[in-house]
Amino acid sequence: GQNIDQPTEMTATEGAIVQINCTYQTSGFNGLFWYQQHAGEAPTFLSYNVLDGLEEKGRFSSFLSRSKGYSYLLLKELQMKDSASYLCAPHSNYQLIWGAGTKLIIKP
Amino acid sequence: GAGVSQSPSNKVTEKGKDVELRCDPISGHTALYWYRQRLGQGLEFLIYFQGNSAPDKSGLPSDRFSAERTGESVSTLTIQRTQQEDSAVYLCASSSPAGGGDEQFFGPGTRLTVL
Repeated sequence: GQNIDQPTEMTATEGAIVQINCTYQTSGFNGLFWYQQHAGEAPTFLSYNVLDGLEEKGRFSSFLSRSKGYSYLLLKELQMKDSASYLCAPHSNYQLIWGAGTKLIIKP
Repeated sequence: GAGVSQSPSNKVTEKGKDVELRCDPISGHTALYWYRQRLGQGLEFLIYFQGNSAPDKSGLPSDRFSAERTGESVSTLTIQRTQQEDSAVYLCASSSPAGGGDEQFFGPGTRLTVL
């Protein structure tokens, strides 16, 4: 079957660092997407990992281990605007398999 | 257009009525997806179109749901005899000619409320 596991909710402080973990099981795997979704808005693309390792893009980094079925999204220098849901989405064949996402709450 | 557009942005209907939701994908994007998102929940795949291939309808929850796409452009999602559990945001996304593996660009969604 196909399964995605990420924490339902996390809380962090403005200026700090937070790591959102995702484990997945899919039939077929091409890569993994991370999307950000603010309340009441559509998801927007953050990153796509195909190979094992860390991809850094500004304040956001994403890591993938294909053999472990594991990924994380690392957010540095947190800002209040980072309060949103973060969706881990493994890519299997032509589909993205969507988890329920992690709601990140940033406190001053 | 510059991005994926959807209409209407909001739709309130009475139980039992039919509704039609529209999606205009990014020009040149051959892949188009419809998703449903209930409040506080993740994205639920409904249907996928890729070029002229037969669509993947495996996510449609019942025969009240159907979707069409005209060539590689506009798509419409139709819900017949709406029920209260159909209330959700319906999101459309499109991706580049290479199809899966490429970033999906989402429209703003249509918020459907069934009274």
